[in-house]
Amino acid sequence: RKEVEQDPGPFNVPEGATVAFNCTYSNSASQSFFWYRQDCRKEPKLLMSVYSSGNEDGRFTAQLNRASQYISLLIRDSKLSDSATYLCVVNSHTGGFKTIFGAGTRLFVKA
Amino acid sequence: DGGITQSPKYLFRKEGQNVTLSCEQNLNHDAMYWYRQDPGQGLRLIYYSQIVNDFQKGDIAEGYSVSREKKESFPLTVTSAQKNPTAFYLCASGGGATNEKLFFGSGTQLSVL
Repeated sequence: RKEVEQDPGPFNVPEGATVAFNCTYSNSASQSFFWYRQDCRKEPKLLMSVYSSGNEDGRFTAQLNRASQYISLLIRDSKLSDSATYLCVVNSHTGGFKTIFGAGTRLFVKA
Repeated sequence: DGGITQSPKYLFRKEGQNVTLSCEQNLNHDAMYWYRQDPGQGLRLIYYSQIVNDFQKGDIAEGYSVSREKKESFPLTVTSAQKNPTAFYLCASGGGATNEKLFFGSGTQLSVL
């Protein structure tokens, strides 16, 4: 089993749709969580941190469920410019600092 | 303008050749990282450094070497021992209270001639 698993995608949605990405992680000692966005052939960029209480940034909402070891990202009112790959990232500090990237879920938003 | 600069953007390697990828940051971050990304896959950690003159192997260090003589610089050498070097290489530095928020350079695409 991979340490961080994401929906394989791709997701094809029309503009204005709501889309949800899911991510599960295997290390219960994981301590911090992030979503990154990566455009084709570009570097990943930090989208948002994920907190236990859930957090929102405009059209984006991230949630963490530690009991189920599950992270989600919700995008409301999708824009064409949201088309990208979304990477789930999990950090742990047990046995040394470790950052694990999910394989990413590709999103295509269509007009 | 603060950021991370990787060079070159594209690099070609001949059989048996060592090549070095440059990574420079002016964000004053202690931690720096090298990742490899293959098509359709996530990022895999090659090496990381939490402080000057110290670095640790990541998950796929074989065939690679690094140095960290200055805080700003973390070059990666792809040696001839790396038999499948074609990939997109990303350098990152760590910010935030615990160096966990990663800021990436624009990447180097390495191909074998």
